[in-house]
Amino acid sequence: GAVVSQHPSWVICKSGTSVKIECRSLDFQATTMFWYRQFPKQSLMLMATSNEGSKATYEQGVEKDKFLINHASLTLSTLTVTSAHPEDSSFYICSAREWGRRETQYFGPGTRLLVL
Amino acid sequence: AQKITQTQPGMFVQEKEAVTLDCTYDTSDPSYGLFWYKQPSSGEMIFLIYQGSYDQQNATEGRYSLNFQKARKSANLVISASQLGDSAMYFCAMRGRRDDKIIFGKGTRLHILP
Repeated sequence: GAVVSQHPSWVICKSGTSVKIECRSLDFQATTMFWYRQFPKQSLMLMATSNEGSKATYEQGVEKDKFLINHASLTLSTLTVTSAHPEDSSFYICSAREWGRRETQYFGPGTRLLVL
Repeated sequence: AQKITQTQPGMFVQEKEAVTLDCTYDTSDPSYGLFWYKQPSSGEMIFLIYQGSYDQQNATEGRYSLNFQKARKSANLVISASQLGDSAMYFCAMRGRRDDKIIFGKGTRLHILP
């Protein structure tokens, strides 16, 4: 099956620093990627939809200046958490849909972010 | 607006028994897709099964089947012959046609007892 990778899988950083998370579709092209956030024992909350070559669409309540998304190619999207604070600590998961196949939605393994 | 409801926060089932996880949804889109994912403690989201709103037959994937009742707007997941490895969090999700995004229910934590 299709594979989506994320890097890093774990990151611990100091408050005020920025953290970049990469999401790659390894064996398919993804014109659209999605970024989710999941707090412990809760469901996945969609943060933004990332489209290759255009600006991301953010969900209501998600600060676009705080969570910068870049979808530079058909296989790579990045999420940068700028000036991270302890409340940004969470599990971030990306997802990608294979172009032309609406029934697919593959998820990366997730990135656990801990801001001290 | 789209909405997914999973009313069972947790379930305990004896190994080898069948399990039904409930999911109801609400959407105004005439065309949509329904997904079920499994999330073990490692956190990865494992795709289980997909049902399109216009599919005539209920989807099946190995031990997983989706009991799709369109008029009732329900999409229950049935796991036959449960195994200890089935213990995990299970999420029902939906994608509408108007936008591409998938929204998730709150999930059901399934515990399989030996």
